[in-house]
Amino acid sequence: KAGVTQTPRYLIKTRGQQVTLSCSPISGHRSVSWYQQTPGQGLQFLFEYFSETQRNKGNFPGRFSGRQFSNSRSEMNVSTLELGDSALYLCASSLDPGPNEQFFGPGTRLTVL
Amino acid sequence: AQSVTQLDSQVPVFEEAPVELRCNYSSSVSVYLFWYVQYPNQGLQLLLKYLSGSTLVKGINGFEAEFNKSQTSFHLRKPSVHISDTAEYFCAASLQGGSEKLVFGKGTKLTVNP
Repeated sequence: KAGVTQTPRYLIKTRGQQVTLSCSPISGHRSVSWYQQTPGQGLQFLFEYFSETQRNKGNFPGRFSGRQFSNSRSEMNVSTLELGDSALYLCASSLDPGPNEQFFGPGTRLTVL
Repeated sequence: AQSVTQLDSQVPVFEEAPVELRCNYSSSVSVYLFWYVQYPNQGLQLLLKYLSGSTLVKGINGFEAEFNKSQTSFHLRKPSVHISDTAEYFCAASLQGGSEKLVFGKGTKLTVNP
C-alpha cells in the first residue's frame, strides 16, 4: 500500500506570493492533518479534515487555509507569503478521527525568499 | 491546554549503551501519548503509543515507554542502541475524547556514536 504522498517536495517562493501544497493520504484513510515544522517552533498543528470538513484548526493566521476533496486528498494554501513561513509542511493521514496512528508524508520544504 | 516537554534537546550515547529520552506532559484531562521518530529528510514514523491499559508500552525497533500518571511522564527507553537509531525523537499528546490534533514536544536529537 502506498504511503502518504506530498507534492511538491521542495518549493521556493518570494514574499507576497501564494502557494498551494498537496497531500494524498493512504488509500482508505479519510482523516488528514497538516503540521508546520520549523527549527524555532517545532511541530505545530495547522488543520484537521475529515469527510471534506475542517474539524479543527491550529493557531495560525487566516493566510493559512486548506480543504479536502471527496477522494480525501487535501490541499493547503498560504497567501501573502512571509519569510517566517519557511518551513517543512507535513501531512498526516489516519483511517478515521480518533486515537489512531497518524501516518506522515515526507513533507514539502517551503523556502520563502 | 495541554503541553508536552522534552527535557533534553540532545542526547549523545555510545553504541550498545542504554538510552532514556524524557517526556513530560501537562493536561487537565486524560491524554493519549505517542512517540515518533524522524530520520533526516523524512516524515515522522510512529514508534509506540499509549491509549489505555498497561502502563508499559512496547514499540518497534526495540523501544518501549512507560506511562506514569502521577509524574505525568512518558519516557522512552531502549536497552541497547545502534548507530541506525540516530534520529530526532518527538513525544506527542492528544486529548482523550477531543480533537485528534497532536501536540508535540520540541524533540530530542539522539546521536549514537561508535
